[in-house]
Order: sequence, then structure tokens, then C-alpha cells
Amino acid sequence: SQQGEEDPQALSIQEGENATMNCSYKTSINNLQWYRQNSGRGLVHLILIRSNEREKHSGRLRVTLDTSKKSSSLLITASRAADTASYFCATDGDYGGSQGNLIFGKGTKLSVKP
Amino acid sequence: DTAVSQTPKYLVTQMGNDKSIKCEQNLGHDTMYWYKQDSKKFLKIMFSYNNKELIINETVPNRFSPKSPDKAHLNLHINSLELGDSAVYFCASTEFGRAGELFFGEGSRLTVL
Repeated sequence: SQQGEEDPQALSIQEGENATMNCSYKTSINNLQWYRQNSGRGLVHLILIRSNEREKHSGRLRVTLDTSKKSSSLLITASRAADTASYFCATDGDYGGSQGNLIFGKGTKLSVKP
Repeated sequence: DTAVSQTPKYLVTQMGNDKSIKCEQNLGHDTMYWYKQDSKKFLKIMFSYNNKELIINETVPNRFSPKSPDKAHLNLHINSLELGDSAVYFCASTEFGRAGELFFGEGSRLTVL
């Protein structure tokens, strides 16, 4: 069954604004990852945060993880039109007996208007 | 220098036909996957192979048969196609046990009429 659940489902902002997406999950995890998918393309890995980490940065991306609340957030600062894409969280861990695979959420569709 | 490549990118076929999708990775990874993305963008794992051995089969109908001739290739053959098989199929690869990122192909959009 589905593990991650992103919120909101869709987000529309102006260029230069910050975008925040949230992800909630159900079971214990070893790590959580965020991926981006441009329309008609494959998924591209953005960042991985381990269960013992609380915050991680990569360029304009900031990811937080709260294992007590089973939630994560992805912040994109100073957004650009090129950030327009769907963003997915994915969790790993001993899930349903299928250890090693990633469980993806339904994604947040981000639209950044120039 | 494409890392994970899938062919074909688009596939339109009739119900009942048999079709194959091919995947190759040149990253030297030992684990490859097939994921299915439905019309609502929900991405679900189908199969995982490690060094040509099947390690994950997520309750996929046996009309779907993956084949891994070597660790750089993972093909997906689908028999007796049904309307519900219409989706985008993604191949991905990684190094097993590292719990790291997956590298995805560009997807193969299958439309069953």
C-alpha cells in the first residue's frame, strides 16, 4: 500500500517566491528521498535525508524530517519557472517484506509563473 | 551518454497483443527496477532484479514477465495486454544495499486500445 502522502496536491506560485511541500508517511523508515519529475520525463533524485538527520540543504533546497510526526518538508527558495514540475517523496525501509524498494507518494504539482 | 535508456518511448497497441519494453543502464549498477505510473501519477514498484536475480515481485499479474539477460539490462514483456495496462513504465537502477538514489529512465508510455 501507499506510504508517502504529499501535501498540497498542487501549488501555484510566482517566480522568486518560496515553495513548501509536505510529505507524511506511515511506517518507520531508514531514509526519505525527494524526486522531481518534469512533464513527460523520468524522475530525478534531489536529496536524501536519513532517519537520524533533522535537516539537510542542497543549493536552493532545504529538507526537514520529523520522525516523531512521520513527516518531511521540502522547501525550494527563490523559485524559478524551471522549477515547475511534480515533486515526490519516497521512503525506504523494511516495508511490507519488500526491503530495498522505494515507496512513492502521489506527488505535489508545482507551477512557478514567470 | 544516457545513463538509463528505455525503448520504445511510446507504444500504442490493441488489447490482447503481446509487447516488450527494453531497458539498459550504463552506470555499472547491480540492481534494476520496473515501476508503473498510472494516470494519476501514482508510482508503484513492479519488479526488482539484483545481479540478474528477481528479488521483488509486487503482486503483478503473471502476464508481466521481466527478463534480465545481464545486470545492465532488464526487459519487460507483457502478454495479452488489457486496457488497464495503459500507463507509463519506468525503468530504474541503483547499487543494492546503499539505500541511495534511484536513476530513472525517461519512461515508456503504453496505450492499449
